Amino acid sequence: RKEVEQDPGPFNVPEGATVAFNCTYSNSASQSFFWYRQDCRKEPKLLMSVYSSGNEDGRFTAQLNRASQYISLLIRDSKLSDSATYLCVVIPSGSARQLTFGSGTQLTVLP
Amino acid sequence: GAVVSQHPSRVICKSGTSVKIECRSLDFQATTMFWYRQFPKQSLMLMATSNEGSKATYEQGVEKDKFLINHASLTLSTLTVTSAHPEDSSFYICSARGVGTDTQYFGPGTRLTVL
Repeated sequence: RKEVEQDPGPFNVPEGATVAFNCTYSNSASQSFFWYRQDCRKEPKLLMSVYSSGNEDGRFTAQLNRASQYISLLIRDSKLSDSATYLCVVIPSGSARQLTFGSGTQLTVLP
Repeated sequence: GAVVSQHPSRVICKSGTSVKIECRSLDFQATTMFWYRQFPKQSLMLMATSNEGSKATYEQGVEKDKFLINHASLTLSTLTVTSAHPEDSSFYICSARGVGTDTQYFGPGTRLTVL
């Protein structure tokens, strides 16, 4: 089983739509969680951290369910510029504090 | 936000040559730098973790004699792909992490093509 699993998509949605991505992680002792976005042939950029109480940043809402080892990202009012690959990232337990990436979910927002 | 640079951004070389990639943190001191590799349509795979002043820690399956990592200062790490072969063609990305934080800042990546 992969450490971090995501639905690869692709998700093709019209502008203005609401879209949700899910991610599961295998290590129950994982400590930190993030969503990154990666544009084609570019480096990943941090979108937002994910906190236990859930957090929102503008049109983006992230949720964490530790009991189910599940993370979600909700994007409201999708824009064309949201088209990218969204990477679920987890830091498992341990001192190395390394990022473990999911394989990413591809989103295309259509005009 | 913090800035990490990588050089070169793109390199094309012949099989058997060695290629050096530099990763610099421009406005913060990076005690730890990470090197990743990403093949087309796949996620980033961690190759090695580099702490300033000590030997890098390589992930399973990554040959340390082929991928030489040097982290000689708090702002610079280098990855040298020795005797590169076509199967080494990939997108190599570094990231840097400062003291007391989990946030990693990524460089823009280096696209290596070995002919």
